[in-house]
Amino acid sequence: GAGVSQSPSNKVTEKGKDVELRCDPISGHTALYWYRQSLGQGLEFLIYFQGNSAPDKSGLPSDRFSAERTGGSVSTLTIQRTQQEDSAVYLCASSLDGGKEKLFFGSGTQLSVL
Amino acid sequence: QKEVEQNSGPLSVPEGAIASLNCTYSDRGSQSFFWYRQYSGKSPELIMSIYSNGDKEDGRFTAQLNKASQYVSLLIRDSQPSDSATYLCASASGRRALTFGSGTRLQVQP
Repeated sequence: GAGVSQSPSNKVTEKGKDVELRCDPISGHTALYWYRQSLGQGLEFLIYFQGNSAPDKSGLPSDRFSAERTGGSVSTLTIQRTQQEDSAVYLCASSLDGGKEKLFFGSGTQLSVL
Repeated sequence: QKEVEQNSGPLSVPEGAIASLNCTYSDRGSQSFFWYRQYSGKSPELIMSIYSNGDKEDGRFTAQLNKASQYVSLLIRDSQPSDSATYLCASASGRRALTFGSGTRLQVQP
């Protein structure tokens, strides 16, 4: 596609429910990143994929968070048993060949846990 | 200590002035540095990258890097109201993903 696509754009869920967030990177980009941003805060790194493997998942805040990437393309971030502190904008980014020269960000998923 | 530190601001400058945004980093292994601009409600976009000590100029923007002092800055000349945004500093080290600071909010007053 023309850019990084994320869905849904907004997700409201109840505490304790599981959610899945999807990211479709730019075609041909091998690296994919998940960050989250709380209101008025910077970007908090979650996990990084190179192809289908995750060389760095040090940012996942707890074992309730997991992510996978299939076919070197689409990635899904899953949050189990959501908590109110999980509320944030979840941003996905991709880059060509894993280079850090330029990350292209999607529009994000605004997650609200009630 | 955060790996990338920025003053949250807001930094307020009059239109036409020079805006100076600063960033320090703690990882001496960091090799690459980036400035991203994020308008309210939007996603970040890359505006400058710098890899070696000294200055790098691109239009009205100049990035400065001092690895000995672990300091990165961004100068915006002839600031315009459209430059009003949050500016995020980021560093890259080895195979690690980009580490972002919390951003500095810039307000350019007409």
